[in-house]
Amino acid sequence: GAVVSQHPSWVICKSGTSVKIECRSLDFQATTMFWYRQFPKQSLMLMATSNEGSKATYEQGVEKDKFLINHASLTLSTLTVTSAHPEDSSFYICSATENYGYTFGSGTRLTVV
Amino acid sequence: AQSVAQPEDQVNVAEGNPLTVKCTYSVSGNPYLFWYVQYPNRGLQFLLKYITGDNLVKGSYGFEAEFNKSQTSFHLKKPSALVSDSALYFCAVRATFDGAGSYQLTFGKGTKLSVIP
Repeated sequence: GAVVSQHPSWVICKSGTSVKIECRSLDFQATTMFWYRQFPKQSLMLMATSNEGSKATYEQGVEKDKFLINHASLTLSTLTVTSAHPEDSSFYICSATENYGYTFGSGTRLTVV
Repeated sequence: AQSVAQPEDQVNVAEGNPLTVKCTYSVSGNPYLFWYVQYPNRGLQFLLKYITGDNLVKGSYGFEAEFNKSQTSFHLKKPSALVSDSALYFCAVRATFDGAGSYQLTFGKGTKLSVIP
């Protein structure tokens, strides 16, 4: 079946630094990928829709200059959290769509100290 | 706008008993419906989906769900629960046709299933 690889699984960074999270579709081409944020004991909140070769579409309230999304190829989308602050600490999950299905990465636990 | 309701924050069931996790949805037109399971600090694992066809959908790990259009429901069921089924379960919906072309999934808030030995 379809596999989405997300790296890193967890990262700790200092406040003010930037962190990049990668999401790769391993055995299929994903023209569309999605980035979610999940707070403890809560559902997934869609941050943005990433389309290969074009600008991402951000959900209302999500700062596009803070959460930079790049989808330069059909198998790779990246989310960069710029100038991270403790309130950006969260669980980030990517997803790719194929044949009416949605495959999710294993998630990235970001802790900003 | 599309939405999903999972009315139970938590469901407790004894091992070996049948389990049901409830889900109702609202969407324009015909829905695509999904169930996912999440273990702590992990991504979402696909269980099953309804796109078209038979209303009873069978999925992974012995789970099944029944699409009920009149009740706009898609409850997840399993005849005999296992302790290893304890996890967080999410129901999700998307419209068959999304005018924006983004085909976003909308998730319920999740239901924590605890299977008691």
